[in-house]
Amino acid sequence: DARVTQTPRHKVTEMGQEVTMRCQPILGHNTVFWYRQTMMQGLELLAYFRNRAPLDDSGMPKDRFSAEMPDATLATLKIQPSEPRDSAVYFCASAFRTGVGGGELFFGEGSRLTVL
Amino acid sequence: GEDVEQSLFLSVREGDSSVINCTYTDSSSTYLYWYKQEPGAGLQLLTYIFSNMDMKQDQRLTVLLNKKDKHLSLRIADTQTGDSAIYFCAESTNNNAGNMLTFGGGTRLMVKP
Repeated sequence: DARVTQTPRHKVTEMGQEVTMRCQPILGHNTVFWYRQTMMQGLELLAYFRNRAPLDDSGMPKDRFSAEMPDATLATLKIQPSEPRDSAVYFCASAFRTGVGGGELFFGEGSRLTVL
Repeated sequence: GEDVEQSLFLSVREGDSSVINCTYTDSSSTYLYWYKQEPGAGLQLLTYIFSNMDMKQDQRLTVLLNKKDKHLSLRIADTQTGDSAIYFCAESTNNNAGNMLTFGGGTRLMVKP
């Protein structure tokens, strides 16, 4: 059963601490997205990668957020230092994209982050 | 930039039809999607429609697209309590940057027994 796996599912941390969220995309998918969901802002695209290369990270606060794909099976989103306003559910999604046409994004179950 | 708008909330009785509406601004949208999010879970694709279609039916789901008005709707026939969830409309375009999706804010559907 192919699915996107995210860890941790829940994280509570104190302001100023580093937080790393991990995502294992579905095997064979070449595009990975990071979204953030909050009540106020809804779903916001933070960054996405095609074939491990960052295509767009304009939605991400650059001073404290960083996203990487060390290899095709792992995407990471890091926040350093974390702030209470970063509290949200962070979703990873993957897809196979050729640059033409649409198709389904497969979402993980999310990492719920609470920064105290 | 692209914008996708949805109403926040819809309440229906079990057995009734639900209609969730969405408007979008990008006239070059090529695909329009409906995703469902159940509590504590990620989003799951329900259905999608190509922009050159005006209707798509899939069991209890009917998607209507009015491209002229940039209006998309999702009709759920015989709504069940298990349909209670947040429904997201999304659109994408063909572009070299890779078809990223723009999501609406989601419509919370509550189904009363």
